[in-house]
Amino acid sequence: EAQVTQNPRYLITVTGKKLTVTCSQNMNHEYMSWYRQDPGLGLRQIYYSMNVEVTDKGDVPEGYKVSRKEKRNFPLILESPSPNQTSLYFCASNSESNEQFFGPGTRLTVL
Amino acid sequence: DQQVKQNSPSLSVQEGRISILNCDYTNSMFDYFLWYKKYPAEGPTFLISISSIKDKNEDGRFTVFLNKSAKHLSLHIVPSQPGDSAVYFCAASWNSGGSNYKLTFGKGTLLTVNP
Repeated sequence: EAQVTQNPRYLITVTGKKLTVTCSQNMNHEYMSWYRQDPGLGLRQIYYSMNVEVTDKGDVPEGYKVSRKEKRNFPLILESPSPNQTSLYFCASNSESNEQFFGPGTRLTVL
Repeated sequence: DQQVKQNSPSLSVQEGRISILNCDYTNSMFDYFLWYKKYPAEGPTFLISISSIKDKNEDGRFTVFLNKSAKHLSLHIVPSQPGDSAVYFCAASWNSGGSNYKLTFGKGTLLTVNP
């Protein structure tokens, strides 16, 4: 089954404690991206990757890092999380026809 | 500067009637538009799309209309069903650097279809 998976689905952490949210897709897509969804703000792109070792900032990259060492994985790294990063995070990958497949989401709470 | 706007945070309709969700955009470079549907605790799922060379695209109960001169698109759902109750996101992209992959999303509209 074609899918995008994210882990963990839920995470509660404290300010400053480094964390990584993993994302994996099994569709051999080149383009992957991370979004955050906040009430009243919709989906905003954090980072994207056009291919292995090619990443770039989206609209709200501050406080986040990503890496793309292999095609299927695109982890999101918060080196020093802060409460304003409490949000719902979605990973996505794009088919060549630009249909974007989303993961199930990761709800992060930073205390 | 919000480039894709969904000015109605919510919409409520009766089962069997038409649902019309609206979306406005400001960037005239956008040439591809999509609608996504999102249920609670799930990721958004692709619903329907339209290229700027068309003014209408239909898929079953869902039709998207594009008015380029007004920079406006709408999603029509006929007939509406209770299972259509979800948040609907409008998204747009343009062919930058040879790809249309970057999407700009609106804030979403919560549709409630009452039995």
